[in-house]
Amino acid sequence: EVQLLESGGGLVQPGGSLRLSCAASGFTFSSYAMSWVRQAPGKGLEWVSAIISSGGNTNYADSVKGRFTISRDISKNTLYLQMNSLRAEDTAVYYCVRHSSAWYKYSTMDVWGQGTTVTVSS
Amino acid sequence: DIQMTQSPSSLSASVGDRVTITCRASQGIGNYLAWYQQEPGKVPKLLIYAASSLQSGVPSRFSGSGSGTEFTLTISSLQPEDVATYFCQKYNSAPLTFGGGTKVEIK
Repeated sequence: EVQLLESGGGLVQPGGSLRLSCAASGFTFSSYAMSWVRQAPGKGLEWVSAIISSGGNTNYADSVKGRFTISRDISKNTLYLQMNSLRAEDTAVYYCVRHSSAWYKYSTMDVWGQGTTVTVSS
Repeated sequence: DIQMTQSPSSLSASVGDRVTITCRASQGIGNYLAWYQQEPGKVPKLLIYAASSLQSGVPSRFSGSGSGTEFTLTISSLQPEDVATYFCQKYNSAPLTFGGGTKVEIK
């Protein structure tokens, strides 16, 4: 069964850091692009960041550029999101998402994890 | 950046009604448009890709159309299990922007 399992969420103070992880199973992790998508409480979906299958190309939403870093470890079948300089507006459920091909361009988000909650508050 | 605008933001319809949701892109995106369904308290699910292709397992009462800047999602006969928020998303290039969502309820 194809599965994405996020972890690492929690409560953090403004200005703090957090690293999210997403363990992938049931498919060849190295063949697919991945993204992080977030959803603030009661709000819509916001794409955060994407990475191609090999990890050699990444992209970020303007709202997180320079603060967040996406990466992947093919040997561990795991996707990461390093989040620094966190702000209250980063509070959201963060979903790990698989794209339908090796590139995030021209490919849809066909598998979603259950999400992990990040709360930024003092 | 290309903006994605959905309308209406919410709607209420009766079981069996035909429901149409519109998504407009501020610039042309070809047919690189997907629709996602998020039932209350659940994870989003891919419904339609390439503007009009039905994802495997999605009921045939769902359909999509359009290209360029204007797209529609149609539910031909609304069912109680279709209560959800629907999001469009462009995927021709980053940023992979979502529309604001349309909440569908049963009257």
